[in-house]
Amino acid sequence: DTGVSQNPRHKITKRGQNVTFRCDPISEHNRLYWYRQTLGQGPEFLTYFQNEAQLEKSRLLSDRFSAERPKGSFSTLEIQRTEQGDSAMYLCASSFDGQTEAFFGQGTRLTVV
Amino acid sequence: GENVEQHPSTLSVQEGDSAVIKCTYSDSASNYFPWYKQELGKRPQLIIDIRSNVGEKKDQRIAVTLNKTAKHFSLHITETQPEDSAVYFCAASINQGGKLIFGQGTELSVKP
Repeated sequence: DTGVSQNPRHKITKRGQNVTFRCDPISEHNRLYWYRQTLGQGPEFLTYFQNEAQLEKSRLLSDRFSAERPKGSFSTLEIQRTEQGDSAMYLCASSFDGQTEAFFGQGTRLTVV
Repeated sequence: GENVEQHPSTLSVQEGDSAVIKCTYSDSASNYFPWYKQELGKRPQLIIDIRSNVGEKKDQRIAVTLNKTAKHFSLHITETQPEDSAVYFCAASINQGGKLIFGQGTELSVKP
């Protein structure tokens, strides 16, 4: 599968624990986006990278959230001290510099218990 | 701030009927408007998109119209089939492949 890949697909964690998700974009895509989707809602923008540079962060992204894309390829999203309100589907998408549509990964479903 | 409103939240039609979903956006800089279909437990997938320099685009049974003055765009599905049942999201962006602001989604149910 040469599409956007996200791991893990599901994650159950206890409140207060840290979690990290990974996204592997389509190889030639230089833009990478993270979105959060809660049940019955549309995806909400969290942050995006152009190559390795993080260019925008949503106000939704508290200081417990951090994202990296160290070599401009894969990206990680870490949530520290998870809260029940962090339970959601975390979607990654990639595109090529405004010249292609955004392609989404399957998402990582996080459940905080 | 940037906002996209989508209506209705749920839509039930009989197979063969048409379905229309409407969205409005707030950011006048938006000029790219994609529509995504999301089946249960799956990733959102693009079904059609439109740029602001055109008013209408059609792809087989699916069409999208855009009224930039009113900041309004709509998805039209004709001759609906049960496999069209899914959640549909509209979105707005300042460019193709850019940050997307999504609507709240419409759950379409096509009854055979």
